[in-house]
Amino acid sequence: DAMVIQNPRYQVTQFGKPVTLSCSQTLNHNVMYWYQQKSSQAPKLLFHYYDKDFNNEADTPDNFQSRRPNTSFCFLDIRSPGLGDAAMYLCATSRDEHGEQYFGPGTRLTVT
Amino acid sequence: GQQLNQSPQSMFIQEGEDVSMNCTSSSIFNTWLWYKQDPGEGPVLLIALYKAGELTSNGRLTAQFGITRKDSFLNISASIPSDVGIYFCAGHNQAGTALIFGKGTTLSVSS
Repeated sequence: DAMVIQNPRYQVTQFGKPVTLSCSQTLNHNVMYWYQQKSSQAPKLLFHYYDKDFNNEADTPDNFQSRRPNTSFCFLDIRSPGLGDAAMYLCATSRDEHGEQYFGPGTRLTVT
Repeated sequence: GQQLNQSPQSMFIQEGEDVSMNCTSSSIFNTWLWYKQDPGEGPVLLIALYKAGELTSNGRLTAQFGITRKDSFLNISASIPSDVGIYFCAGHNQAGTALIFGKGTTLSVSS
C-alpha cells in the first residue's frame, strides 16, 4: 500500500543535541510537509517542499531546518532542541499544494 | 491568521447514538477535509470535499461542504467504541496554500 512512513516513532534527545527525523513516501507526491503538534492542539505547519522548492512558514524558528534530497524522502533537523520543542512531529504529503494531505504516523520527540 | 471555529470541543455519547460536529470560517474555503486522530498516531483522512453543496459519505460518516463555502459538517451514525478520537476539520481558503485546521472535537463513546 502507498503510504507515508516516519522513523523513528519515538525519539529521545538531550537539550541542545542535534536531532534528525525522517519521512519517506511511496505516493510519489510532489509536496511534503512538516508539522509540529503539541498536546491537545491542532498540527502547526513548520514548512513544506513543492518538489525542490522550500517554503518556510514565517513563524518557524531558525532552529528548525529541512532537507529533501529526492522525491521520496524529507528530513527535519532540529539544530539545538529546547525543552519547548518536545512534541509530536508529523510528516504529510499531497499531490499539489491545494489538495488532500496524507499524514504519517508521527515521531514523538522527548527532550531531556 | 485565519481561524476555523470547530464545535463542539468535546462530546460524550452512548454507543449507537448519532454524532454531528461542524466547522465555520469567516472566509470562503475551496476545500474541506475531515481527519480523525487516535492517540499517538497521525491524522487519518476521512472525507475530502471540493464543491459547494457536495455531500459525501464514507461508511457511517457523512460530510457536507456548505453552500456559502464558509462551513462544513461531519455526521457519524450509530457510533461504536472505535469512533473514539479527535476529529479535525481542515481546509484551504482562497488566500494561500497552507492547510488551516480547526481545534478539534474530542469524541468519547461509552458502551
